[in-house]
Parts: sequence; C-alpha cells; structure tokens
Amino acid sequence: GAVVSQHPSWVICKSGTSVKIECRSLDFQATTMFWYRQFPKQSLMLMATSNEGSKATYEQGVEKDKFLINHASLTLSTLTVTSAHPEDSSFYICSARKRGVIADTQYFGPGTRLTVL
Amino acid sequence: AQSVSQHNHHVILSEAASLELGCNYSYGGTVNLFWYVQYPGQHLQLLLKYFSGDPLVKGIKGFEAEFIKSKFSFNLRKPSVQWSDTAEYFCAVNEKRADNYGQNFVFGPGTRLSVLP
Repeated sequence: GAVVSQHPSWVICKSGTSVKIECRSLDFQATTMFWYRQFPKQSLMLMATSNEGSKATYEQGVEKDKFLINHASLTLSTLTVTSAHPEDSSFYICSARKRGVIADTQYFGPGTRLTVL
Repeated sequence: AQSVSQHNHHVILSEAASLELGCNYSYGGTVNLFWYVQYPGQHLQLLLKYFSGDPLVKGIKGFEAEFIKSKFSFNLRKPSVQWSDTAEYFCAVNEKRADNYGQNFVFGPGTRLSVLP
C-alpha cells in the first residue's frame, strides 16, 4: 500500500498565531512531498515541493516566509503557517511521491482544514 | 506550461447510466496520466494511471480510461454508475522524464459527479 497521513485533520486558531501541519508517508519513503491548497469547489493548487534534506521549492505567488516547509526525514514533511490570518483559511493537502519501476505516483493525505478566526 | 481541462464542471446521472468524463491536456511531450477521485469528506484517492503500453487502462471500482495521444485526451468511463460514485473527479498530468522522476502534477479543475438513486 501507499498511505499518507496528515495531522491534525482540522484546526481552528486565532489570527496571528502559527499552525504546524504534519504529513507522513506511513509505509514508504518519500524523498519528495508536495503541499497543495484547495479552495471550496476548486481544484488543487500546488504551493510548494518539499525535498528531503534541502530547501523547499515554492510556486510563484506563494510566500515562503509565511508557509514554512521542513522535510526532515524521508517520511515526514511539515508545513507551518506563520502569523495566520483569516484569508489563510483553507484545506491543505499534502502528497508523497512514491518511486515506481516505470514512473512515480503521488499519494495524497486526507487534508487539514484550517480555520483562522 | 502544461494545462489540463475537464469538459464538465458538474455531471448529474441516474444510477445505471453510463459515464464519460472528459480530460484534455496541453503538453506535447510524453506524459503520465492519472485520475483521482475525492469522495465527500474524504481525501484524494488514485483511480487509475497510465504510464505506457495499452492505452486502455482499467482502474478500481469498474472505472477505465482511454489515452488517445492524437487527441491529447484521457477520458474516464464507467458503463454503469452507482450512487456511491458521487464524488469529485480530478484528472492529472505530469511530464515523463528520462529519469522517471517526473515533473510536478498539473491537475484539472475537477468534475463533480452526482448520481441520483
């Protein structure tokens, strides 16, 4: 199998606080993980690519100082939303890339719903 | 840059009806193709994928998709839908690279399928 977990599944915080979201690949090693944001009734928007042991690669328009990504091990990546504001409220989804013989497949976590009051 | 389009935003069918969801991509090179499903309140799950070989790919839950290279299409089909197929369906594409790492996924906007009992 290829299972990816996220923690927490939902979080409510006050404006100005920081929130950390964890993404773990439970039964495989993932040198690359991805962080997405999904707005209601919309598709996934890639925020950044998280590479184990190196700096994350952010997509255009994503503030790297606001969305801190750390990929400390082959099974764990974290996304920290710093000084969160109501406009950061969203559904954050991570995925982990599993190497295959022919090509790779991404497996997705269940997502984390962030609500900033 | 790659883009992925899905023909329908919302499809409503009765149980036992046949389903075809369209997906077209813009990239002219060699690609890997995926269909993901997101059931209400759940995370993205891989339905099927195409890397190479037989362009007709069979996935889980009776779904299949056909890769037509000349049309840059990867349409999803199911001969007889069930109420439990109600979900959001996303087509995704990534560029096939020689090292098999692949580029990041580009997702289509999604198609919401509602199956009436």
